[in-house]
Amino acid sequence: GAVVSQHPSWVICKSGTSVKIECRSLDFQATTMFWYRQFPKQSLMLMATSNEGSKATYEQGVEKDKFLINHASLTLSTLTVTSAHPEDSSFYICSAREGFRGYEQYFGPGTRLTVT
Amino acid sequence: TQLLEQSPQFLSIQEGENLTVYCNSSSVFSSLQWYRQEPGEGPVLLVTVVTGGEVKKLKRLTFQFGDARKDSSLHITAAQPGDTGLYLCAGVIGQNFVFGPGTRLSVLP
Repeated sequence: GAVVSQHPSWVICKSGTSVKIECRSLDFQATTMFWYRQFPKQSLMLMATSNEGSKATYEQGVEKDKFLINHASLTLSTLTVTSAHPEDSSFYICSAREGFRGYEQYFGPGTRLTVT
Repeated sequence: TQLLEQSPQFLSIQEGENLTVYCNSSSVFSSLQWYRQEPGEGPVLLVTVVTGGEVKKLKRLTFQFGDARKDSSLHITAAQPGDTGLYLCAGVIGQNFVFGPGTRLSVLP
């Protein structure tokens, strides 16, 4: 149980375009989903927290107009990187938490974004 | 300032050796998790500890939560190449869920 999927696994896009990444909880309802980015050989950096049906809460320094997060259902959250630039190239990972599972987070496999 | 610190940052050992990695904070954790992440993949939850002094075992891995709930350790017995990865501790401090910087383990055959 507690499986989280992400789509796509990797994406290459041109500078200035937008990219949408999907995060789904497959066998549980995710009351809260998290989006992280990870640079090579570094730990995870939390970008934002989203609760189903509410606006996402962004961490300091993360541009909410650039990284649009939607958590429209209990099993799906999306991250859209708008007007992508090469410096947005990174490994984006989502995680999901189900209420009664306490504070454990279950992670998706990640999405490698490369902006050319 | 890191809320969570891990040591060592990097560790390279031979197959069959034992090792311990540490996770420390000046704050008290409500709960603490250990994850392992392999390159190009998301972190996988290994264990959750919630009670001070708690010890949990997962095959060759032993997790210990400090009595004061400010620190934790992960001990691996007879390490194998398959144990290679980034080990992350993460915990709830107050209202925040935070990750440590990780320990990158390499087990050489």
